[in-house]
Amino acid sequence: ETGVTQTPRHLVMGMTNKKSLKCEQHLGHNAMYWYKQSAKKPLELMFVYSLEERVENNSVPSRFSPECPNSSHLFLHLHTLQPEDSALYLCASSQERMNTEAFFGQGTRLTVV
Amino acid sequence: GNSVTQMEGPVTLSEEAFLTINCTYTATGYPSLFWYVQYPGEGLQLLLKATKADDKGSNKGFEATYRKETTSFHLEKGSVQVSDSAVYFCALSDTGTASKLTFGTGTRLQVTL
Repeated sequence: ETGVTQTPRHLVMGMTNKKSLKCEQHLGHNAMYWYKQSAKKPLELMFVYSLEERVENNSVPSRFSPECPNSSHLFLHLHTLQPEDSALYLCASSQERMNTEAFFGQGTRLTVV
Repeated sequence: GNSVTQMEGPVTLSEEAFLTINCTYTATGYPSLFWYVQYPGEGLQLLLKATKADDKGSNKGFEATYRKETTSFHLEKGSVQVSDSAVYFCALSDTGTASKLTFGTGTRLQVTL
């Protein structure tokens, strides 16, 4: 496999459930990101990991918990979510140098019921 | 802070029509500018980029010129095809890397026969 792969593609969960989103990149990149895409809103950067260390957390509620065990894998652990958390969650990776581009996965469509 | 403003969609065009999607930005310093495209059910793909003033990014018949004096990066294509139907996102990065992309809300393009 090549590129950035996200699983699952679709997830429906209740507000009391605990689930995890997985992202894997096969590009040899050293930075990974979680974005949230909601209807009619700009993509929101949630978390940034560079060299497996979290370097940015944009005021994301604690019910979202990221984990980056190595440079190829990124997880987003979810617990006690709210219906307004329903969105498309996109993972991306890049190589940290000037003028490089980010490669995105296909996203996980999350519905909280 | 940084921001990107795109024209609201949807934009509906007939095949072979000329396309313009407007994008303006606010940023400190000299950001890099990007256009990403999202086809139905897919993640975001980089369409083109420009890293300094007066640069022109181009790909697949699409073009955009980095205009510092008007803080704009409008996307154009001379003759659209049905396969160009997608959502187009304008974005900037003020670090010169992809690590902190600020996105616009996206513009949906629908091309009909």
